[in-house]
Amino acid sequence: AQSVTQPDIHITVSEGASLELRCNYSYGATPYLFWYVQSPGQGLQLLLKYFSGDTLVQGIKGFEAEFKRSQSSFNLRKPSVHWSDAAEYFCAVGGGSNYKLTFGKGTLLTVNP
Amino acid sequence: DAGVTQSPTHLIKTRGQQVTLRCSPKSGHDTVSWYQQALGQGPQFIFQYYEEEERQRGNFPDRFSGHQFPNYSSELNVNALLLGDSALYLCASSFWQVGTEAFFGQGTRLTVV
Repeated sequence: AQSVTQPDIHITVSEGASLELRCNYSYGATPYLFWYVQSPGQGLQLLLKYFSGDTLVQGIKGFEAEFKRSQSSFNLRKPSVHWSDAAEYFCAVGGGSNYKLTFGKGTLLTVNP
Repeated sequence: DAGVTQSPTHLIKTRGQQVTLRCSPKSGHDTVSWYQQALGQGPQFIFQYYEEEERQRGNFPDRFSGHQFPNYSSELNVNALLLGDSALYLCASSFWQVGTEAFFGQGTRLTVV
């Protein structure tokens, strides 16, 4: 069975500081990995995705993520956080013959001025 | 391009009633998935429709059913509503292949009283 763990429920950073959100997954085949962001009252917006190839993936809004197969991780990073990045972030896994996405419980990001 | 549109945005129903939620996919997409997002949780996969048939189903009871129309739009029906069905219901559209990017609508907030 596939699963995603986001160990941090809530993270607070200062504006301009760097950010790393953790994601660990369990999947029996080669995974497709995604990071989505959700602002209050909104749907999910895709930040980036990994299917294959280069393990460092660049996304929108200055985000990047690194796929580490040996650690079953796909952590999201940003070098300098902006106040507008405050939102909830979800990691998701899919792939193989499985059409569904399995999401983690999310990490709520608060940005202090 | 209007993206994925869902209606209604908010809905209040009484326990035991039935509800229908609607989704229009992003232009060009032929596949629609439905997710339930309870408060403080990540989205949970309900089912996916492709070519007007349910292609994959998550761990939800038969009270949850759906339909896809020839124009690719979709409906989610929930019968015999329970208080625990209160959640944000998200529709996602994509191309039919596994792992293609899913675009999410803003969701329908269902409250069961």
